Amino acid sequence: EAQVTQNPRYLITVTGKKLTVTCSQNMNHEYMSWYRQDPGLGLRQIYYSMNVEVTDKGDVPEGYKVSRKEKRNFPLILESPSPNQTSLYFCASSLSIGPTEAFFGQGTRLTVV
Amino acid sequence: RKEVEQDPGPFNVPEGATVAFNCTYSNSASQSFFWYRQDCRKEPKLLMSVYSSGNEDGRFTAQLNRASQYISLLIRDSKLSDSATYLCVVGNNNNDMRFGAGTRLTVKP
Repeated sequence: EAQVTQNPRYLITVTGKKLTVTCSQNMNHEYMSWYRQDPGLGLRQIYYSMNVEVTDKGDVPEGYKVSRKEKRNFPLILESPSPNQTSLYFCASSLSIGPTEAFFGQGTRLTVV
Repeated sequence: RKEVEQDPGPFNVPEGATVAFNCTYSNSASQSFFWYRQDCRKEPKLLMSVYSSGNEDGRFTAQLNRASQYISLLIRDSKLSDSATYLCVVGNNNNDMRFGAGTRLTVKP
């Protein structure tokens, strides 16, 4: 089954404790991205990647890192989480650049206390 | 000003009603347009793409007006299962997708 898988689905952590949210897709998609969703603000892009070893900042990259060592994986790293990073996070992938459908993971609800 | 603006709602309608959502976008160079559906606490999923000529999929009709930078979604004969948040999405260069904050729809018996 074609899918985007994120883990964990739910996470409560403390300020400053490094964490990684994994994202994996099995559709051989080139383009992957991370979004955060906050009430009233919609989805905002954090980072995106057009291919292996190619990553770039989105609209709200501060406090986040990513890597793309393999085509299928695109982990999101929070080196020192803060409470303002409490949010719902989605990973998405699509076939290539251009107007194609984006497939989303099931989301990770992160709470930083 | 947000790049993609939608009426947040909520829209509360009875079953069988026709409901219309509107969306405006600010970047005149935008190239692709979509409506996504998001159920509560779930991931967004593509509902339909929006083309300049307008397109229809069953009870759903999407329209694009490039001159006015306006997109619409019409749902006819609403079902309970249509209750969700509808996201207007505009694609710019390099698959840079901009999301509206969503319009919440509740269809009641």
